[in-house]
Amino acid sequence: DGGITQSPKYLFRKEGQNVTLSCEQNLNHDAMYWYRQDPGQGLRLIYYSQIVNDFQKGDIAEGYSVSREKKESFPLTVTSAQKNPTAFYLCASSMSLRGHRPTDTQYFGPGTRLTVL
Amino acid sequence: AQSVTQPDIHITVSEGASLELRCNYSYGATPYLFWYVQSPGQGLQLLLKYFSGDTLVQGIKGFEAEFKRSQSSFNLRKPSVHWSDAAEYFCAVGRVTGTASKLTFGTGTRLQVTL
Repeated sequence: DGGITQSPKYLFRKEGQNVTLSCEQNLNHDAMYWYRQDPGQGLRLIYYSQIVNDFQKGDIAEGYSVSREKKESFPLTVTSAQKNPTAFYLCASSMSLRGHRPTDTQYFGPGTRLTVL
Repeated sequence: AQSVTQPDIHITVSEGASLELRCNYSYGATPYLFWYVQSPGQGLQLLLKYFSGDTLVQGIKGFEAEFKRSQSSFNLRKPSVHWSDAAEYFCAVGRVTGTASKLTFGTGTRLQVTL
């Protein structure tokens, strides 16, 4: 089945540690995204990538880093510089951002809940 | 700057009753509008989207939404709610910035269904 997988579902880390969240898709999509979800705040865009080896900051990129070495994978690292990392993190993908196609549907993974102790 | 407002944080309806979830957007150009649904602890699933044509859009699970440009609204409706519709619903607007297109989400409306 095609889709987006995120692992792990739950993640616990001590304060000050970096942690990497996995996101893999087999939809052959060009574009991938990372969102952060906090209660009462909806989804906020952290980073996005339109193509392999390229990525752009979203609205709340501080304290996060990403890489896009393969089309299928877009891991997110939450660094110790992120002041309030406890949240629900969602990865998404869409067919293509090129050609100005805002109508492309974003498909979401099941999410990873990160708790920093 | 674009924004999306969902004025109702929490709505409770009885099973079988009709439902309307409100969404207002602020966007200077032609809006591309989406409704997503999220079950607890899960990712988001697309219900429907609007980008042109008929202003009444049909989606999955019996949902529909109507785009009203004069009111800057894209309200989601369902004539008869089922207990399984209990979830959180997000409205979003798609926009193009430079060579990228992105979604801006509202803060969501949590739907509770009573039996």
